[in-house]
Amino acid sequence: KQEVTQIPAALSVPEGENLVLNCSFTDSAIYNLQWFRQDPGKGLTSLLLIQSSQREQTSGRLNASLDKSSGRSTLYIAASQPGDSATYLCAVIQGAQKLVFGQGTRLTINP
Amino acid sequence: NAGVTQTPKFQVLKTGQSMTLQCAQDMNHNSMYWYRQDPGMGLRLIYYSASEGTTDKGEVPNGYNVSRLNKREFSLRLESAAPSQTSVYFCASRRGRVSSYEQYFGPGTRLTVT
Repeated sequence: KQEVTQIPAALSVPEGENLVLNCSFTDSAIYNLQWFRQDPGKGLTSLLLIQSSQREQTSGRLNASLDKSSGRSTLYIAASQPGDSATYLCAVIQGAQKLVFGQGTRLTINP
Repeated sequence: NAGVTQTPKFQVLKTGQSMTLQCAQDMNHNSMYWYRQDPGMGLRLIYYSASEGTTDKGEVPNGYNVSRLNKREFSLRLESAAPSQTSVYFCASRRGRVSSYEQYFGPGTRLTVT
């Protein structure tokens, strides 16, 4: 059974720092991996989707990498801002329909 | 462009009552999903519909039924609510079966069963 782990569970950093969020998965037979952002009391917003054939994907200040063989993905946030404060979730996609989620990393950016 | 919409936003039920959660998407997506989110458990798939006219069980389907009313709408029904069904429910949609397409989520329904 696929298990997705995100460490740390919570992270607090001062504004302006670059930071890395980690996601690991136990079964490397995945199609893709998707990173989401969730604000308190809100739904999930898709940030990046990395195809299994890709090593990384970039959107603005965000860069996500994928290493299937080691079962790891990282989300790099450059020049963090208070507006980046949210919970970040990763999900691996197995088969056409099944997303398996991690528990998330709660990120706080302090002004 | 509203994306994925859900109604209601909040609901309180007594044990044994029934209700239907509504979901609609205006992106002409083929696939739709229902998840529940619980503290310490993350998001888990309840049911999904790969295309209009089809539905399949996910990881935690017991106590729920679904209807894919048309391409836009996918409803989740609790026939006899239980306190264990207290959760936040999210509907999502995706363009098609191909896994390269992203899933888009609605704002959620917060359900409390007393």
